Parts: sequence; C-alpha cells; structure tokens
Amino acid sequence: ILNVEQSPQSLHVQEGDSTNFTCSFPSSNFYALHWYRWETAKSPEALFVMTLNGDEKKKGRISATLNTKEGYSYLYIKGSQPEDSATYLCALRMDSSYKLIFGSGTRLLVRP
Amino acid sequence: DAMVIQNPRYQVTQFGKPVTLSCSQTLNHNVMYWYQQKSSQAPKLLFHYYDKDFNNEADTPDNFQSRRPNTSFCFLDIRSPGLGDAAMYLCATSVDRVGNNEQFFGPGTRLTVL
Repeated sequence: ILNVEQSPQSLHVQEGDSTNFTCSFPSSNFYALHWYRWETAKSPEALFVMTLNGDEKKKGRISATLNTKEGYSYLYIKGSQPEDSATYLCALRMDSSYKLIFGSGTRLLVRP
Repeated sequence: DAMVIQNPRYQVTQFGKPVTLSCSQTLNHNVMYWYQQKSSQAPKLLFHYYDKDFNNEADTPDNFQSRRPNTSFCFLDIRSPGLGDAAMYLCATSVDRVGNNEQFFGPGTRLTVL
C-alpha cells in the first residue's frame, strides 16, 4: 500500500513566525506532487503542482521544494499570518491518470 | 464564479437510515469524484464518474452508491450508514481523467451518524 506521510500532524505558531512542514512519499513512485490549502468551511484550493526534482515554486509568502530522489517535499510559509491558518494537504500522482494519493494533512494554526 | 457546490454542508442521520449527499458543478467538467475523509486521516477516493460511466474503487464498500443524472449533478447514497461512516465527504471535478485532470473541490459535507 502506497503511503504519503505528512508531518507534523498539527502546528501552532505565532503571527510573524516562519514555518515549514513535510510531505514524504516512496521515491520510486512519482509523476507529480500536489499541495492544497484547505481553510475551514471552504474548498481545498490548489497551491502548487510539482513535477521536477529540485523544483521550487512560490506564491506570495508560501513556497515549496521537491526532492524526488529522497522522496519529500517541503512547504514553507514566511512570516505566518492568521489567514494562513488551514490544513495543508499534499497528494501524490503516480502516473498521468486522475488518481491522487493524499496525505492526512498538516493543520496549521497561526495565533495573532 | 464557476464552482463546485455541496449540499448540505452538515448532515446528521441515524444508524441504518439511508442518506444522500449532493454535489453540483457549474464548470461543465466531464469527471466527478467522491472522496471520504475520516477524522485525522487522508481523503480516500470512493468512486468517480467519467461522463455517465461509473468507476468504483476496489475497496469501496457496497453500502456506498452514486448517481449522476446529468453533467451538473452527482449524488452519494449511503444505504445503511454505520457509525464508521461518519466522515467529511468531498466532491471534486476535472475536465478529463488523463492530461487535463486538475481536480477542483467542493467544501465538503460533514456526516454525523447517531
């Protein structure tokens, strides 16, 4: 059974702190990695799709890196704000089909 | 704005009482998916429709059924909910299954089984 692991499960930080969390996957199975942000009472929103080893993508204060050889991706948030509070999900796509294998998410709470 | 809508957002049912969850989309996408996410676990794909073609995942219990009467709507029917079926149910859509298959999600329906 393919496992996508996310750590930590939850994280509390103070406003202004920078933070990061991890998505790990079996490095032998990889086509693309997706990051989603899921705010309470809203729909999961796509943040990044990453395909190449060494990829780094950025959207505002959020960035992500990918290491396919060792099987992990990091998501970084610089200067966390309360509006960054959400569950961050990663999902692995093993081939070009529709199937996404999700991790269980990292729940981030940013205290004002 | 084009979107994926789920109703209701919260559903309470009794043990063994059939329940239906609803998903609609204004994106005109060909594919509609249903995921189940139990507390602190990863979302798990139950099944999907490609147009009118139903595709079940191998480990989806028979208790879960789905209907897609037209392009816009897709329903999840739980015939006899058990306590273990309490979860968040997410609907998603994509243009296609291969290639242009980025998935767009609804906000989910949280199901409680008493």
